[in-house]
Amino acid sequence: SQKIEQNSEALNIQEGKTATLTCNYTNYSPAYLQWYRQDPGRGPVFLLLIRENEKEKRKERLKVTFDTTLKQSLFHITASQPADSATYLCALDSSSNTGKLIFGQGTTLQVKP
Amino acid sequence: DTAVSQTPKYLVTQMGNDKSIKCEQNLGHDTMYWYKQDSKKFLKIMFSYNNKELIINETVPNRFSPKSPDKAHLNLHINSLELGDSAVYFCASSQGGGQGNGYTFGSGTRLTVV
Repeated sequence: SQKIEQNSEALNIQEGKTATLTCNYTNYSPAYLQWYRQDPGRGPVFLLLIRENEKEKRKERLKVTFDTTLKQSLFHITASQPADSATYLCALDSSSNTGKLIFGQGTTLQVKP
Repeated sequence: DTAVSQTPKYLVTQMGNDKSIKCEQNLGHDTMYWYKQDSKKFLKIMFSYNNKELIINETVPNRFSPKSPDKAHLNLHINSLELGDSAVYFCASSQGGGQGNGYTFGSGTRLTVV
C-alpha cells in the first residue's frame, strides 16, 4: 500500500542545534516533494519544493535532501531558534496529471532556549 | 490582504443540519482544493478544481458537494451532517496543479457537529 511516514514522536532540541526531520514513502514515484510548516490553529505554510532530479535544496537556514533510491527526504533546520517550533509536514505528488498532494502526518519540533 | 480566506472560522452545528463553508483566493491561482484535517492531524484531500472544472474527487460521501462559481471561489456544502464530519477543513490554492508549485492554505474552518 502507499504510505508517507514521518516521525510521529515530537523532536525536542536545544536552541542553536540542527534539527533533522525525516520523511519516508513507499509505493510512490513522486516528481517532487514539498515541505510545509503548520502552527497551532493555522493552515500549513509552504517552505520548500525539491524535484526528483535534485539532490539538495537550500533556503536560508533550511535544507532539504531527496533520495529517490531510499525513498526518503530529510529536512534540516540549522541554528534552530525557539520560533522554529511548529509541526512540519512533508507532501508529495501522487499524480503527475492532477498534482494531487498527499501529506504525511507531520513531526512536531520543539526548540528549547 | 488575505491570500486565501475561508468563512466561517468556527462552525458548531447539530447532527442532520446542512452547512456551507466559503473560500476565496486573490492570488490569481487556477487550482483550488479542499482538505480535511482530522483529530490525528492527517491532511486528506477531498476535492480539487482547476478553472471551475472538478479534477480530483476523492472517496468522499456524496453529502459533500463542492461548488466553484469562478476560479477565485470554491465553496463546500455539507448535507445531513454527522458526528464524524467534525474536523478542520482547509481550503488551498496553487498555480498549475501538476507543476509542483506550493499550495497556499487558508486558516481553516473548525467544524464541530454535536
